[in-house]
Amino acid sequence: DQQVKQNSPSLSVQEGRISILNCDYTNSMFDYFLWYKKYPAEGPTFLISISSIKDKNEDGRFTVFLNKSAKHLSLHIVPSQPGDSAVYFCAASFNLADKLIFGTGTRLQVFP
Amino acid sequence: EPEVTQTPSHQVTQMGQEVILRCVPISNHLYFYWYRQILGQKVEFLVSFYNNEISEKSEIFDDQFSVERPDGSNFTLKIRSTKLEDSAMYFCASSANREAGYTFGSGTRLTVV
Repeated sequence: DQQVKQNSPSLSVQEGRISILNCDYTNSMFDYFLWYKKYPAEGPTFLISISSIKDKNEDGRFTVFLNKSAKHLSLHIVPSQPGDSAVYFCAASFNLADKLIFGTGTRLQVFP
Repeated sequence: EPEVTQTPSHQVTQMGQEVILRCVPISNHLYFYWYRQILGQKVEFLVSFYNNEISEKSEIFDDQFSVERPDGSNFTLKIRSTKLEDSAMYFCASSANREAGYTFGSGTRLTVV
């Protein structure tokens, strides 16, 4: 039962351009969404989150957009940098400090 | 910056043996978790722990698994009788509150042979 889906397994973007990573979910009861970045042999690193009462949250180069009617969220990285190359996971939760349900990840490669 | 520490980084064990994976969460965090990632698959929730008891566990977390916070700083995951399919990266995470997100450790790679 894939409640959180990332349909693009990989994305390749030129340095300086925008990276857009997408995530879809099926359960309308999710009320908190998070993006994590993961390098090989390391744990996921928290990037940015958004509550279901918002439709946008911004932190530096990272912006997350939430479209509740479409059950879709996206992470925008502008401008993309080679150091952004990693696997990006979206995750969702139901309640305060509840478990995270992860998507399958999108491998982002930023090339010079 | 505070971090979650996991030891060992890599553990190789024979099938049927017991393993204990260790974690030191961030000191002022109240919520603790174990997740795992089988190679090439997504990160999966195993168990959450709050106020010295399990608050939720997944179907994966069967009777072979147990967690403990023995001394107020360590948080351990024990697998009593390991199976080949337990081979995975095991991540510990802790959280003060969800607005700050979870902080994950760098993981323990468990290889069951």
